[in-house]
Amino acid sequence: LAKTTQPISMDSYEGQEVNITCSHNNIATNDYITWYQQFPSQGPRFIIQGYKTKVTNEVASLFIPADRKSSTLSLPRVSLSDTAVYYCLVGVFNDMRFGAGTRLTVKP
Amino acid sequence: NAGVMQNPRHLVRRRGQEARLRCSPMKGHSHVYWYRQLPEEGLKFMVYLQKENIIDESGMPKERFSAEFPKEGPSILRIQQVVRGDSAAYFCASSPGNNQETQYFGPGTRLLVL
Repeated sequence: LAKTTQPISMDSYEGQEVNITCSHNNIATNDYITWYQQFPSQGPRFIIQGYKTKVTNEVASLFIPADRKSSTLSLPRVSLSDTAVYYCLVGVFNDMRFGAGTRLTVKP
Repeated sequence: NAGVMQNPRHLVRRRGQEARLRCSPMKGHSHVYWYRQLPEEGLKFMVYLQKENIIDESGMPKERFSAEFPKEGPSILRIQQVVRGDSAAYFCASSPGNNQETQYFGPGTRLLVL
């Protein structure tokens, strides 16, 4: 299983760009990288997924270097409502595991 | 297109009772996953099922816990003889299963054991 390591917590201010990096040194060839967001008392919500290079959607960007041993979730211009826990997962569909995640706090 | 449905949303049981948690996957999804989350902790994988098959139950406690996903109807996570330590949020996720890695989560069931 590919283990992931993320910072436990991060603070930011409204309007800033936030980058959360996840390390996954033993990622396998077939593994995808997926990020989820979770608000208190809710189920995780899918944010973005990628395999290599860069992926962008209306919510975030995901940067994956050539060696794929890490990935960075980029949230542009965060707002207070982006305060949540962000999880990085690595694996194929039946083999993903959630770590402790990164607790992002956005301040006014 | 309805998302993953879970019920009940909240469940209170006394020690020794049984808890049954239900999960209806998204339309077209044939793979279901159950996770448990303790307060202030990440989600812990419990079991992965396809219709009528348990694919991976490596995260399930050896006793009192069971899961099924019948041909018809929702997936059921069953906890027998509940204890206070079973109090947690239980989340279900589903995926299409055709090498699609994205899991879509339900709102969870919050189990409280008195």
